[in-house]
Amino acid sequence: TQLLEQSPQFLSIQEGENLTVYCNSSSVFSSLQWYRQEPGEGPVLLVTVVTGGEVKKLKRLTFQFGDARKDSSLHITAAQPGDTGLYLCAGGDHSPSGAGSYQLTFGKGTKLSVIP
Amino acid sequence: KAGVTQTPRYLIKTRGQQVTLSCSPISGHRSVSWYQQTPGQGLQFLFEYFSETQRNKGNFPGRFSGRQFSNSRSEMNVSTLELGDSALYLCASSLAGSVSREQYFGPGTRLTVT
Repeated sequence: TQLLEQSPQFLSIQEGENLTVYCNSSSVFSSLQWYRQEPGEGPVLLVTVVTGGEVKKLKRLTFQFGDARKDSSLHITAAQPGDTGLYLCAGGDHSPSGAGSYQLTFGKGTKLSVIP
Repeated sequence: KAGVTQTPRYLIKTRGQQVTLSCSPISGHRSVSWYQQTPGQGLQFLFEYFSETQRNKGNFPGRFSGRQFSNSRSEMNVSTLELGDSALYLCASSLAGSVSREQYFGPGTRLTVT
């Protein structure tokens, strides 16, 4: 069974601070996706990384996929209250059941609160 | 393009009843996956449907079932509800054939079992 560990579980910071969220696994994934979820809503896809060592930037957010494709990090620069939410990482791979299925395994998330 | 829609958004049921949840994927998406989200366990995969066939299943009891129709719309059913089935049920659609299979989630159905 593939598992993804996210840390920290909770993070409360002041507006303007920087932060990093980590996503680690002992398994190799074909892709790594990051989502943000707000209360009462479904997760919204932020980015997908597929190549070991890949770095993607989305405005103030920087995503990195580890060289061995087992871990990832999300760095937010100058956090704003609008960044508040649950950040989820998800590792993707073809399912052992075959049949063309691609399965995502989710971490339990990092709950971020940015205080104005 | 319209996003993934789920109905109903909220549902209250009593133990022993059954419930059916509905999901309409993004137009053109033929793969539909269902997840259960709880505070303790996070997001857990229930099953995936593609072209009206279940092609992957998570580790849930047989009380949880689903189906997909020819227009890619999907339903999931939970029979003999238990208190522990209270959760947010999320449906996600994706483009079959894409390398990384990004999933696009609906807003979820909040099920409360009393």
